[in-house]
Amino acid sequence: DGGITQSPKYLFRKEGQNVTLSCEQNLNHDAMYWYRQDPGQGLRLIYYSQIVNDFQKGDIAEGYSVSREKKESFPLTVTSAQKNPTAFYLCASSEQGRRGEAFFGQGTRLTVV
Amino acid sequence: QKEVEQNSGPLSVPEGAIASLNCTYSDRVSQSFFWYRQYSGKSPELIMSIYSNGDKEDGRFTAQLNKASQYVSLLIRDSQPSDSATYLCAVAVNTGNQFYFGTGTSLTVIP
Repeated sequence: DGGITQSPKYLFRKEGQNVTLSCEQNLNHDAMYWYRQDPGQGLRLIYYSQIVNDFQKGDIAEGYSVSREKKESFPLTVTSAQKNPTAFYLCASSEQGRRGEAFFGQGTRLTVV
Repeated sequence: QKEVEQNSGPLSVPEGAIASLNCTYSDRVSQSFFWYRQYSGKSPELIMSIYSNGDKEDGRFTAQLNKASQYVSLLIRDSQPSDSATYLCAVAVNTGNQFYFGTGTSLTVIP
């Protein structure tokens, strides 16, 4: 089945620790996105990538990093510089030229302990 | 950031009624408009897209777009309890590959 897979579903991070969230898609989509969702704040764009080896910052990129070494994969690292990382993280992909028509993964809920 | 505004609700309607969800956007060059449904604890799923002024119908859902007024809406006819969810409006602009979400409207359909 084609789709987009995020792992893990739940993740706990100690303060000062870096963690990496996985996102893999087999839809052959060129564009991939990372969003953060906090209660009452909708989805905010962290990073997006249109092609392999290229990515751009979104509105809230500080404290996060990404890579796009393969078309299928777009991992997100939450660094210790992100002061308030507890949130629901969503990865999405879309066909090039069909932005806005996105497929989402099931999300990763990150909690700082 | 491009602004996309939605009434956060909650909006409650009785089963069988019409639910009306509204969205306004600030960027006049916005080109494409989308409605996503998100059940509690789940990820969003695309339910409607609309690209030109007027109405677009898909089953019980109708999207309405008025670019002059910078307004897009979603009507849900014959609302069902299974329609209870948060509805997110999204807007894509001409430049770049981003699209922006509103904060969502929470809908509850009362049996």
